[in-house]
Amino acid sequence: EDQVTQSPEALRLQEGESSSLNCSYTVSGLRGLFWYRQDPGKGPEFLFTLYSAGEEKEKERLKATLTKKESFLHITAPKPEDSATYLCAVQANYNFNKFYFGSGTKLNVKP
Amino acid sequence: DAGITQSPRHKVTETGTPVTLRCHQTENHRYMYWYRQDPGHGLRLIHYSYGVKDTDKGEVSDGYSVSRSKTEDFLLTLESATSSQTSVYFCAISDGANTEAFFGQGTRLTVV
Repeated sequence: EDQVTQSPEALRLQEGESSSLNCSYTVSGLRGLFWYRQDPGKGPEFLFTLYSAGEEKEKERLKATLTKKESFLHITAPKPEDSATYLCAVQANYNFNKFYFGSGTKLNVKP
Repeated sequence: DAGITQSPRHKVTETGTPVTLRCHQTENHRYMYWYRQDPGHGLRLIHYSYGVKDTDKGEVSDGYSVSRSKTEDFLLTLESATSSQTSVYFCAISDGANTEAFFGQGTRLTVV
């Protein structure tokens, strides 16, 4: 069964304190892994797509990496405006019509 | 922002009544999805569409039906609402396999 697990569930950081969020997955043939940011009361906002192990993508203070079993979202020197819930999702080769989501990591960055 | 509009944004309904949520897109994307989001469960796929009149079930489809008569509109119907269907519902669109999905702003549904 395809599964996506995110850890930790919640993370509190001081402004400037770098850390990483984890997304581990089990899927029969990964087609793509996606990272989203979700602010309270809003829909998820697309951040990155990763397709193969070793791939990396960066955007401002965020950097996403991918291995064969997991993905990391590294946050360097976070600011309070980075506070949000971060979701990851996977698409499988055998059924690329669907996206399977993890439960998310709620990040709180304190000034 | 992707042109996705969900309506209504908020709705309170009584147990046993039918409810229809609407998703409208202006991007001409082929794929449309309905998800529900609940604490501790993340986003779960209810139904999706891969073209006009082409739909399929997701992982939590019981009690829900969908219709897509035009490329731009995807309707989600709760035939007889139950309290367990109280949730936030999100519509998403994608222009094809292997590409990211873009989400609407969500509909908060409360069944009392």
